[in-house]
Amino acid sequence: GENVEQHPSTLSVQEGDSAVIKCTYSDSASNYFPWYKQELGKRPQLIIDIRSNVGEKKDQRIAVTLNKTAKHFSLHITETQPEDSAVYFCAASNDDYKLSFGAGTTVTVRA
Amino acid sequence: DAGVIQSPRHEVTEMGQEVTLRCKPISGHNSLFWYRQTMMRGLELLIYFNNNVPIDDSGMPEDRFSAKMPNASFSTLKIQPSEPRDSAVYFCASSLKGTDTQYFGPGTRLTVL
Repeated sequence: GENVEQHPSTLSVQEGDSAVIKCTYSDSASNYFPWYKQELGKRPQLIIDIRSNVGEKKDQRIAVTLNKTAKHFSLHITETQPEDSAVYFCAASNDDYKLSFGAGTTVTVRA
Repeated sequence: DAGVIQSPRHEVTEMGQEVTLRCKPISGHNSLFWYRQTMMRGLELLIYFNNNVPIDDSGMPEDRFSAKMPNASFSTLKIQPSEPRDSAVYFCASSLKGTDTQYFGPGTRLTVL
């Protein structure tokens, strides 16, 4: 089955700086890569996703890049704000229902 | 839309008791997922329903766990008998179809004493 590895496990950044989280996947057939944000005590919420037919997608301060050859994808958050503090999960799917999640990255934005 | 609804939000029970968690998916969604989240194991898919039919229950830990979806707007996850190691947050999620974005409910925090 699919194996998704996520790094780093924790990330502390100064407010206004950028944050980058990287994930690798094992199944070359995977073609859907969502990112979820989970605040403490809350549900995971989709913040951005990318399919394998594009290499990059942006939504305001958030962007995701995908390198199919290397089988890795990354989340980029620019101009970080305190409300960006949360746990971020990457996931991968090969066009079926099953999402394989990474272990999560705890992001702390220091004021 | 109200989103995915789960009840109860918190459940504290004693070992050996039966626990029933409930989920109402987003109206019109035909795929429903039950997940368990723990610090040690992260987010695990327990079972997936499509059009009310269980398609994949390979993540269900053991026979103590069972899930049903009697209609398109309701699903239950039952643990009988419950054990302390079942303590976790249980999320229900739904999607328009299996390959689409999954929307999570608020979760049920289960504590088994």
